Amino acid sequence: GDSVTQMEGPVTLSEEAFLTINCTYTATGYPSLFWYVQYPGEGLQLLLKATKADDKGSNKGFEATYRKETTSFHLEKGSVQVSDSAVYFCALSNDYKLSFGAGTTVTVRA
Amino acid sequence: NAGVTQTPKFQVLKTGQSMTLQCAQDMNHEYMSWYRQDPGMGLRLIHYSVGAGITDQGEVPNGYNVSRSTTEDFPLRLLSAAPSQTSVYFCASSYPTGQGNYGYTFGSGTRLTVV
Repeated sequence: GDSVTQMEGPVTLSEEAFLTINCTYTATGYPSLFWYVQYPGEGLQLLLKATKADDKGSNKGFEATYRKETTSFHLEKGSVQVSDSAVYFCALSNDYKLSFGAGTTVTVRA
Repeated sequence: NAGVTQTPKFQVLKTGQSMTLQCAQDMNHEYMSWYRQDPGMGLRLIHYSVGAGITDQGEVPNGYNVSRSTTEDFPLRLLSAAPSQTSVYFCASSYPTGQGNYGYTFGSGTRLTVV
């Protein structure tokens, strides 16, 4: 079945540091790939997505590129802020259901 | 638009009690799903529905029942709550966006504690 493996956390960074969260997947066909973010005490928000190979999703300074050859969708941000502290989930979909990774907790210190 | 509405937001149950988590959407989406979120495990699919009258099991269905009598509502029932069901529950609806892709809308979650 479909599965998502993402970098274990927690990750602690200083403000303005570079953030990378690795995500790899196993799936049949050509899934869509997503990054969701969950801020403390809140629900899930879609951060970015990509629907086909070599697509780059971007939002709020975050980027991720759909790499079919390495089955990866790594999340990056060049300069994090304290407000980026959250749990980040990588997810994939082949249909109307989503498969999620375990989540990575990111804490950014001032 | 209200989107996906979940009630209640918080609930404490005693072991063995039953309850229903409500989920309603006003977007006329065909597909609805229930997930549970546990630390270090991400979100796991409990049950899903592809339309009124049709439901199926996801990855972790044991201990939960669902029904889909209308397009709008997809309640999740715990018949006899257990401490292992302490979790945050998310309801989602999804819709086709073309070329085999789908969009997803999540509710704000229900935090359930079973003591």
